[in-house]
Amino acid sequence: GAGVSQSPRYKVAKRGQDVALRCDPISGHVSLFWYQQALGQGPEFLTYFQNEAQLDKSGLPSDRFFAERPEGSVSTLKIQRTQQEDSAVYLCASSYADRGNQPQHFGDGTRLSIL
Amino acid sequence: GQNIDQPTEMTATEGAIVQINCTYQTSGFNGLFWYQQHAGEAPTFLSYNVLDGLEEKGRFSSFLSRSKGYSYLLLKELQMKDSASYLCAVRVLDSNYQLIWGAGTKLIIKP
Repeated sequence: GAGVSQSPRYKVAKRGQDVALRCDPISGHVSLFWYQQALGQGPEFLTYFQNEAQLDKSGLPSDRFFAERPEGSVSTLKIQRTQQEDSAVYLCASSYADRGNQPQHFGDGTRLSIL
Repeated sequence: GQNIDQPTEMTATEGAIVQINCTYQTSGFNGLFWYQQHAGEAPTFLSYNVLDGLEEKGRFSSFLSRSKGYSYLLLKELQMKDSASYLCAVRVLDSNYQLIWGAGTKLIIKP
């Protein structure tokens, strides 16, 4: 597709359930980012991939959060034993390169609600 | 620490001009991005500044002063569809990929 695609668009889960969020980046984009965005705030960095390598996971809030990109394309963010504080919009972004004026291109996000 | 400040909310009139400011205090600087985000949608890239001065793109212009740690986004001939949040993000020098984001400025356009 032309842009970054995320699914599902909305996800409701009960506290304690596991969830998986999918990101399909722009074809040919090497870099992939996951962000968490609270209402009225800017995106908060979670993790970064360059191809299939996860080079930075310093923003993941706890060991319940896990991300992978096994073939250097599609990525999945998994949250285990969800908690109410995990409720947020999860944004995925991809970019062709990570220097100069290369911007990150974002998907519409997955709005996660934990009941 | 890293800090980016933007006004929380601004209101402007259709057809007018509005300037959205962004000040930053970061450990390094390797470029500043402006993004537009409509409610419930993806942030979309507007502009990039790495050198001091004004970059113009149609109705939108962005200015940077590195010595002052300051940027602004100027929107001219405002349209109702410009109602959105505007996010400022800084690429920190020692981490080429990671962006530090401001909280965004919610712009409300009134007829």
